[in-house]
Amino acid sequence: EVQLLESGGSLVQPGGSLSLSCAAFGFTFSGHDMTWVRQAPGKGLEWVSLIYRRGSDTFYADSVKGRFTISRDDSKNTLFLQMNSLRAEDTAVYYCARDREAGDGSLDFDLWGQGTLVAVSP
Amino acid sequence: EIVMTQSPATLSASPGERAILSCRSSQTVNNKLAWYQQKPGQAPRLLIYFASTRATGVHARFIGSGSGTDFTLTINSLQSDDFAVYYCQQYVHGPPLTFGGGTKVEI
Repeated sequence: EVQLLESGGSLVQPGGSLSLSCAAFGFTFSGHDMTWVRQAPGKGLEWVSLIYRRGSDTFYADSVKGRFTISRDDSKNTLFLQMNSLRAEDTAVYYCARDREAGDGSLDFDLWGQGTLVAVSP
Repeated sequence: EIVMTQSPATLSASPGERAILSCRSSQTVNNKLAWYQQKPGQAPRLLIYFASTRATGVHARFIGSGSGTDFTLTINSLQSDDFAVYYCQQYVHGPPLTFGGGTKVEI
């Protein structure tokens, strides 16, 4: 079955660190750009970070730049998000998602994980 | 950063009616726009990409249109399963990507 499964979310104190994983199944993971999108409780979607195929380039929202690091291990079909210096405003459900089609000038996302909750609180 | 503005924030409609959702960008995004549907407790689902192309498996009652800065998602003959929150997202110059604030379609 084609799917993405996130893990790693938990309760963490402000200033702490957390690492999220997103395991990919049923498709050629290395052939897709991948992204993280988050959603604070009761709020809309916020793009967080993106990594191109082969990890050639990475991008971050200003709100997380310098604190979060996106990476991928194509040999393990897994996407990662290392989150440091966490703040209360980072509290959200974090989704990983797959770019629908590489190389056609698009960055829209046709496969999403179920999400993992990160709660930053004392 | 390109700002995406969706209106209305909430749209009340009845099954069988047509819903028209608007998305406006602060600068042109050409046709580099996607629409997503999100139901409570679920991940977003891609409906439309390149402003007007339906994603795989999306019903023909979902119609995307527009170009430049003004876009519309039309949902014809609303079904009970269509009541959800809808988001637009631009990707004209690659990252940073931005989403609109969402439109909730409710009964």
